Order: sequence, then structure tokens, then C-alpha cells
Amino acid sequence: GDSVTQMEGPVTLSEEAFLTINCTYTATGYPSLFWYVQYPGEGLQLLLKATKADDKGSNKGFEATYRKETTSFHLEKGSVQVSDSAVYFCALSDSSGNTPLVFGKGTRLSVIA
Amino acid sequence: DAGVTQSPTHLIKTRGQQVTLRCSPKSGHDTVSWYQQALGQGPQFIFQYYEEEERQRGNFPDRFSGHQFPNYSSELNVNALLLGDSALYLCASSLGPSETQYFGPGTRLLVL
Repeated sequence: GDSVTQMEGPVTLSEEAFLTINCTYTATGYPSLFWYVQYPGEGLQLLLKATKADDKGSNKGFEATYRKETTSFHLEKGSVQVSDSAVYFCALSDSSGNTPLVFGKGTRLSVIA
Repeated sequence: DAGVTQSPTHLIKTRGQQVTLRCSPKSGHDTVSWYQQALGQGPQFIFQYYEEEERQRGNFPDRFSGHQFPNYSSELNVNALLLGDSALYLCASSLGPSETQYFGPGTRLLVL
């Protein structure tokens, strides 16, 4: 079945450092890909998404490109802030809507001043 | 525009009891999905409701049941609670079954 694999955390970075969180997927067909963020004690917020190959999703300085050839959707940000400290989840769904969201295990990011 | 709301925010139950969690979708959304997030894990799909019917179901036992009302709000019921049911229960709504899902803040359930 469909699955998502994320790099294991925790990831600790200094403020203004460059962030990459790796995400690869296994799916039949052409899924839609998502990054969700979960701040401490809260639910999930949609950060960005991409629905077809070579699409780039972006929001709040974060971006990720849908790479069909490497089945990847890595999350990047050029300069992280302390307020970016959270758990980041990569997820996919079948573009036909016949499957629910499938999540990775999450990557905890801590940004220190 | 209110987002997805869930109640209660926290709940403590004992083994064997039953619990009902509630979810109101974003305005205009007609589809509600429920997920269970154990500590340190990603959310796991429980089921999805659309047009007041269960449209899809994940790998959860029949102790987990749900309902969707004509106003699109939804309930998740869990019977015969087990210690392993302790988790954050997330509700997500969407404009249709295959559209982007938006999550509520969750209900944290502790089973003692």
C-alpha cells in the first residue's frame, strides 16, 4: 500500500540556518503531496501542497517540489526562526480521492536562538 | 470564518467506558474524516463521512463508530475503551471526499 518515509528527528538548528527535511513516498498512480505542521499542543495545519509532478508548493518561506523521478517531496526553508519549532508531517493522498491521507511519522524541529 | 472545531479538548475515561467526540467542519465543507494520533506518531485514518454515510474506513475495530449529521457535523464514538485508545483524535474537513483536508485542534483522550 501507499506509504511515506520521513527523515528521523529530532532536528536541531540555530536561528537563520538552512532547513531540509527529507520525504520520500511509495504510491501507485500520481498522488497529491502535502506538508502539515503541528505546533506544541495543537492540531495539524496545512503548510503546503503539490498535486502533480514538478509542482512547487510554498508558504511562509517553506517550499517543496514534487519530484516524480525520485518519488520525493523534501521540505526546505532558507532561514529558520525559533517560531518554526514544531513537528512536520509529510503526507500523500490518492489524487482520485479513493484513499485517505497517509502520513509519515513526523520530524521534530527545534530552532535555538 | 471559523475553522474546524472539536469538543471536548481533553477527556479522561476509564477502561471499558464509552466516549463520544464531536467535530464541526469549516463553513461550506461537507466531508469529515477522523484520525487517531498516538504519542510520537503520525495520524492514522479511522474513517470518513460524506453525505451522512461512512465512505471509507481504516484498520480500526468496530468499537470505533461514527455519525454525520445533516449539518455536516460529526461524532466519533468509541466503546469498551482500552488503555491503547489513549491518543489525540483529530477531525479534518474538506469540500469533498478528494479535496484538501483541514484539521481541527484535536481531542486528547486519556484512558486509565
